[in-house]
Amino acid sequence: GQQLNQSPQSMFIQEGEDVSMNCTSSSIFNTWLWYKQDPGEGPVLLIALYKAGELTSNGRLTAQFGITRKDSFLNISASIPSDVGIYFCAGYDSGAGSYQLTFGKGTKLSVIP
Amino acid sequence: NAGVTQTPKFQVLKTGQSMTLQCAQDMNHEYMSWYRQDPGMGLRLIHYSVGAGITDQGEVPNGYNVSRSTTEDFPLRLLSAAPSQTSVYFCASRTQGRGYTFGSGTRLTVV
Repeated sequence: GQQLNQSPQSMFIQEGEDVSMNCTSSSIFNTWLWYKQDPGEGPVLLIALYKAGELTSNGRLTAQFGITRKDSFLNISASIPSDVGIYFCAGYDSGAGSYQLTFGKGTKLSVIP
Repeated sequence: NAGVTQTPKFQVLKTGQSMTLQCAQDMNHEYMSWYRQDPGMGLRLIHYSVGAGITDQGEVPNGYNVSRSTTEDFPLRLLSAAPSQTSVYFCASRTQGRGYTFGSGTRLTVV
C-alpha cells in the first residue's frame, strides 16, 4: 500500500524561528493535506493542495505540492507558543479511485518561549 | 452546524465485551471513515464508506464492523474487545475533493 514518510519526527525550536517539515510518498498523490492536532483533540485541516506545484498559504503557514507529486512541504514562519502540537501530512490518489486517506506519522513541534 | 460528533468521549471495556462507537455528521458529506491513533503509529484507517449502504475495509479492519444506513451516521462496532484495541478512535467525514473533518475522538481502554 501507499506509504508516507514524514520528517522530522520531532522539533524543538525557539519562539520566533521558522519551521520546515516535509512528507514523501512511495506513489503519486493527487491531493496533499496538512493537519494539526492539539492534545486531546482531533486533527484540524490547515491547508489542502490539489495541483502539482501549487503553493498555498494560511496565515503564517505555507505548504507546497511537489512537482513530482510524491512530496509536500509545510513551512511555519515566526513560530509562536500556540504552534505547539503534532502536524500530519496526508494524501490520496482520487484519480485512481482510492478513497483512502493515508497519513504520515506526524511531526511533534515544541516551541520554547 | 456541529460538524462530526463522536460518542462516548471515554470508555473502559473488559476483554471480550462488545460496544458501538457512535459517529454522526451534519454536513451531508458522502465519505466517512474511522481511524485509530496509537503512539508512534500515526492514524490508521479501519473502515470507510463512500455513501449510504457502501462500506469497505481499510488498513486495520480486523475486530471491527461498520454499517452506513444513513448519510449522517457511521457507527463502529467492536465485536469482542481485546487489549490490542486500546486506542484513540477518530471518525471523519468529507465531501468530494475536500479534506476530512475529524471528530474529537473516543479514548478506549480495554482491560
